[in-house]
Amino acid sequence: SQQGEEDPQALSIQEGENATMNCSYKTSINNLQWYRQNSGRGLVHLILIRSNEREKHSGRLRVTLDTSKKSSSLLITASRAADTASYFCAPNYGGSQGNLIFGKGTKLSVKP
Amino acid sequence: DAGITQSPRHKVTETGTPVTLRCHQTENHRYMYWYRQDPGHGLRLIHYSYGVKDTDKGEVSDGYSVSRSKTEDFLLTLESATSSQTSVYFCAISDKASSYNEQFFGPGTRLTVL
Repeated sequence: SQQGEEDPQALSIQEGENATMNCSYKTSINNLQWYRQNSGRGLVHLILIRSNEREKHSGRLRVTLDTSKKSSSLLITASRAADTASYFCAPNYGGSQGNLIFGKGTKLSVKP
Repeated sequence: DAGITQSPRHKVTETGTPVTLRCHQTENHRYMYWYRQDPGHGLRLIHYSYGVKDTDKGEVSDGYSVSRSKTEDFLLTLESATSSQTSVYFCAISDKASSYNEQFFGPGTRLTVL
């Protein structure tokens, strides 16, 4: 399978701490995307990083991409209880339709 | 949320009955997708559409068919529902392929097949 694989599967931290989630993928990508899913809701796009980018920021989110290791990480700084959700990475391998291949996700719990 | 709605939001049906799920968008996006989400499997692509009447299979298409007769609607049909099709179904849309393809998701349909 070409899906991204997130690590860890579950993460529990205290409010104010940083949360780091990792994603590994198989082959060359066009870009890699991160999504968040709150319980019982659809996925929400967080950030996209292109294959020629190494780091990208959006608010409290920082994404890195290491194409030599075929891995990406999502860092959430100063986490809040509202960040409690599942986080998915989705490598985009390109091709005629450019479909995303979602991983199984990291379940983040931020305790107040 | 982007203008995506799914109907019904919840459905309970019996094995062997036909079921149709509807995804409706008001964004005029070209691409539409159906995923299913199951514990331990994440999201898996069932079918997708890259234009009106243009559809293709995804990773787990067996037992499902789709139709797209107009830009705004993408229908997913289970011809004869089975218990293994109990899942949460998500529709997604995108207006770009390949290089970008940020997807916007609907709220989901929880389907239970007894």
